[in-house]
Amino acid sequence: AQSVSQHNHHVILSEAASLELGCNYSYGGTVNLFWYVQYPGQHLQLLLKYFSGDPLVKGIKGFEAEFIKSKFSFNLRKPSVQWSDTAEYFCAVNSGSQGNLIFGKGTKLSVKP
Amino acid sequence: ETGVTQSPTHLIKTRGQQVTLRCSSQSGHNTVSWYQQALGQGPQFIFQYYREEENGRGNFPPRFSGLQFPNYSSELNVNALELDDSALYLCASRGPDLAKNIQYFGAGTRLSVL
Repeated sequence: AQSVSQHNHHVILSEAASLELGCNYSYGGTVNLFWYVQYPGQHLQLLLKYFSGDPLVKGIKGFEAEFIKSKFSFNLRKPSVQWSDTAEYFCAVNSGSQGNLIFGKGTKLSVKP
Repeated sequence: ETGVTQSPTHLIKTRGQQVTLRCSSQSGHNTVSWYQQALGQGPQFIFQYYREEENGRGNFPPRFSGLQFPNYSSELNVNALELDDSALYLCASRGPDLAKNIQYFGAGTRLSVL
């Protein structure tokens, strides 16, 4: 069965620090990969996605992620975080044949001003 | 804004009761999925409906059931509520272009079972 692991439960950074959130998935076939963000009290919002092609994908708000197939990883990065990035971040995967998403447990990011 | 609205936003029920949660999707989004997000966890897939028929289900018992209507609205019904059903329930819709395969989420209904 597919599964998604997010390594960090809670990350605390100061503004302007660099961010990298780890995500690993288990599935042997073709996958689509996503990062969603959930700001306090708001709906899940798509940050970026990978379907195929260039393994380095850029999303909204300065976020990017790199798909490394050999490591089954899809880590999220941002060079310089802002206080407004405080939120919970979810990595998710689905296979080409199934629409439902498998989510990781999420990483809570707290950015200190 | 995702164009997906859910109601109610909060709900309190007691164990053994039944509940109906509602979702309204974007026009043209004929696939809707429901997820359960327990506290401190990621969303877990409950089931998916396409053109008013269930076409995928996660590891949830039959007391979780759903309906999808032609007007792009849908319902999640839960019978015989248990304390562990307390969670945020999310509805997500997708458009007809499966190649894009992007799900748009509503803000959720927070259900508390006492």
